[in-house]
Amino acid sequence: AQSVTQLDSHVSVSEGTPVLLRCNYSSSYSPSLFWYVQHPNKGLQLLLKYTSAATLVKGINGFEAEFKKSETSFHLTKPSAHMSDAAEYFCVVSEYSSASKIIFGSGTRLSIRP
Amino acid sequence: DAGVIQSPRHEVTEMGQEVTLRCKPISGHDYLFWYRQTMMRGLELLIYFNNNVPIDDSGMPEDRFSAKMPNASFSTLKIQPSEPRDSAVYFCASSLYGDRGSGANVLTFGAGSRLTVL
Repeated sequence: AQSVTQLDSHVSVSEGTPVLLRCNYSSSYSPSLFWYVQHPNKGLQLLLKYTSAATLVKGINGFEAEFKKSETSFHLTKPSAHMSDAAEYFCVVSEYSSASKIIFGSGTRLSIRP
Repeated sequence: DAGVIQSPRHEVTEMGQEVTLRCKPISGHDYLFWYRQTMMRGLELLIYFNNNVPIDDSGMPEDRFSAKMPNASFSTLKIQPSEPRDSAVYFCASSLYGDRGSGANVLTFGAGSRLTVL
């Protein structure tokens, strides 16, 4: 069975400081892992994805995530936060190229302090 | 491509009324998903289709909910009769199986339909 846990429901950082959003997963198969971002009153947008290629994945807007199999983690990072990064972030796990088992985490709300 | 198009963006209705939400997926995508998002329950998968055929509707909350996909470019989610607890944002998403570097599990979401049932 697959599952995904986002360890923080809310993260607050100052503008210009690093961002770390934590995600742990459980999967019986080689998983695909994703981060989506949702800005207020908007749909979800794909930020980045891991599909068994390079373990360090770069996404849009300067975000990146590292797949660590030994730790079953896929944490999202950004070196320097920007006010426009304030949003809800969802970690997602699924079987590779499977539409039937796409599991969303509960989300982490990122706030940016001026 | 204009992306996944949902309508209406906002709907306010009274309890007991029928509600129909519409979705136009990205042209060429063969999977379509309906999700519901609330503060209490987060993002829930209601149903998904493959090549217009419903594959898994186990997330549909009850018989008041129904979804159809009459062709590859259109899907509806209907609630009849609506209740206040149905108030939520409903998202449609589509994907393409076998898309190189992507796969059926890479979803493109619409902007959502915000439903308020009074």
